[in-house]
Amino acid sequence: AQSVTQPDIHITVSEGASLELRCNYSYGATPYLFWYVQSPGQGLQLLLKYFSGDTLVQGIKGFEAEFKRSQSSFNLRKPSVHWSDAAEYFCAVGRSGGYNKLIFGAGTRLAVHP
Amino acid sequence: DGGITQSPKYLFRKEGQNVTLSCEQNLNHDAMYWYRQDPGQGLRLIYYSQIVNDFQKGDIAEGYSVSREKKESFPLTVTSAQKNPTAFYLCASSKGLAGSTDTQYFGPGTRLTVL
Repeated sequence: AQSVTQPDIHITVSEGASLELRCNYSYGATPYLFWYVQSPGQGLQLLLKYFSGDTLVQGIKGFEAEFKRSQSSFNLRKPSVHWSDAAEYFCAVGRSGGYNKLIFGAGTRLAVHP
Repeated sequence: DGGITQSPKYLFRKEGQNVTLSCEQNLNHDAMYWYRQDPGQGLRLIYYSQIVNDFQKGDIAEGYSVSREKKESFPLTVTSAQKNPTAFYLCASSKGLAGSTDTQYFGPGTRLTVL
């Protein structure tokens, strides 16, 4: 069965530091992968997505993610974190073909220290 | 300005009452979805609809009902049969391109609290 694991429930970084949020998936075929961000009490905003091609994907707000098939991972990175990046981040996997069902990870809550 | 709207933002319900959450989109998307979010958990799919007048149960449909009479609207009713309805409810939509890449876009959510 498909599944998504985000190993880190909470992460705290200092403003200006680099960030990496981990995401591991379990899926037999070619996955479609997404990262969403959620501010408190708000809906989810799409940061970036991977469907095929270049395994390094650029997104909004300076985020990028790298798809590594051998490690079943799709980690999210940002070279320099801003205080406004404090939020919850969700990784999701969608199956190829047919109805687009998304399986979400449990999320990683990011806190940013000044 | 295209997007997805959900109303109300906050909703309070007494035990035994049915309540309906509204979701409207003007993105001309064919597919619409309802998710439930609980603290410390990811999103879980309640119902989805790929086209008008058609919808399917998701992973946690018990105690919920939906309708899809118009392309732009996908209301969710939380019935009294739902044992633990207090949660944050998110509506999403997508182009619904079967067999192809498809991206879901989310509304701002409705927080339902049972008193």
